Amino acid sequence: QKEVEQDPGPLSVPEGAIVSLNCTYSNSAFQYFMWYRQYSRKGPELLMYTYSSGNKEDGRFTAQVDKSSKYISLFIRDSQPSDSATYLCAMRANQAGTALIFGKGTTLSVSS
Amino acid sequence: DSGVTQTPKHLITATGQRVTLRCSPRSGDLSVYWYQQSLDQGLQFLIQYYNGEERAKGNILERFSAQQFPDLHSELNLSSLELGDSALYFCASSEPRDREMNTEAFFGQGTRLTVV
Repeated sequence: QKEVEQDPGPLSVPEGAIVSLNCTYSNSAFQYFMWYRQYSRKGPELLMYTYSSGNKEDGRFTAQVDKSSKYISLFIRDSQPSDSATYLCAMRANQAGTALIFGKGTTLSVSS
Repeated sequence: DSGVTQTPKHLITATGQRVTLRCSPRSGDLSVYWYQQSLDQGLQFLIQYYNGEERAKGNILERFSAQQFPDLHSELNLSSLELGDSALYFCASSEPRDREMNTEAFFGQGTRLTVV
């Protein structure tokens, strides 16, 4: 079993839809959870950063972490064509000296 | 623009050769991370340097090495290249000004390495 699992998609939605992106993980030591957005031929861009369980909101983006289920989600409200990209979840156990483990990414396409 | 600069953008080389990838972190960032991204493996952590010293090591092959120089730029050296080393290589930098968030916040645009 991979440490981090993420459905590769592709996920296609119309403009204005609510998008739900998810990852599951197996390592109960993970405490720091991130979401990155990667446009084609570009480097990943940090979107959301969450420590431990709970919700975090930033504009149209909401990150949720459920450590009891080992499940994290990213919600995008009022999706826009500019949100079309690959979304990568990532997580690590401790702040320093441990690797950031990435999911393989979900490709999202928002049509106008 | 993330502020992290990687050169070259593209590199084509033959098997058995050695290449050097360069990364200039954002101004003032002390941490540099190297990642490899391939279609089958996704983003894989290779190595981290902090202010010139190795801080963490991931699944980096013995044929690969890295260093961070006094001016904080970093180089990733890949030797005895194999076809399977073809991938995107990313550098990221961060500086824990905010102790709550110390992560790979800023990625460069990557170097696409093709081994033929």
